[in-house]
Amino acid sequence: EIVLTQSPATLSSSPGERATLSCRASQIITSFLAWYQQKPGQAPRLLIYDTSNRATAVPARFSGSGSGTDFTLTISSLEPEDFAVYYCQLRYNWPPRVTFGQGTRLEIK
Amino acid sequence: QVQLQESGPGLVKPSETLSLTCTISSASVNSPGYYWSWIRQTPGKELEWIGYIYYNGNTNYSPSLKSRVTISADPSKNQLSLKLISVTTADTAVYYCARGKGGPEDYWGQGTLVTVSS
Repeated sequence: EIVLTQSPATLSSSPGERATLSCRASQIITSFLAWYQQKPGQAPRLLIYDTSNRATAVPARFSGSGSGTDFTLTISSLEPEDFAVYYCQLRYNWPPRVTFGQGTRLEIK
Repeated sequence: QVQLQESGPGLVKPSETLSLTCTISSASVNSPGYYWSWIRQTPGKELEWIGYIYYNGNTNYSPSLKSRVTISADPSKNQLSLKLISVTTADTAVYYCARGKGGPEDYWGQGTLVTVSS
């Protein structure tokens, strides 16, 4: 089973700064990696699918990249509403399975 | 706008069965190409995939829960259901239903908290 490890667990940043969040897989993946944002009391919101595609209505400051075992979510210039918890998700077709990383909390410095 | 709403008992006793319903609006549970997931979030905030059902009724379950879980759909009511038998305190979580098509889930319900306690 592939394990996703996110780092750091907590990232302290200020509005206007660039934030880089990491998701590392325990083995090379060729399936689909996604990123979600979750704010307190809300369901996760899809940000990125297929490693680098922004979901509908997601601002351009969010970007995804990576391949093999290392994947990154970058927020180019933090807005106040971006402070939240971010999860990566891997889906694979065979065997059909979905797994999540443990999350990175992005907090205001 | 697609909307999903989870409902069911908020408290279940250990060893009993957890049963939840997800009511879908502005989408059809049997629309070709779509799948419908159940995902839960533990008190420690970890997200755990439970399983999903495709528009044609095919299902896939998490290996760790497969022996205890059943996901079904009722097209006449446009609802999903989740049944988890023999629950323990480890099954305490917020349970979400969500929709996807060929990729990750893009619409989620607001979630419902289920506590397992005597």
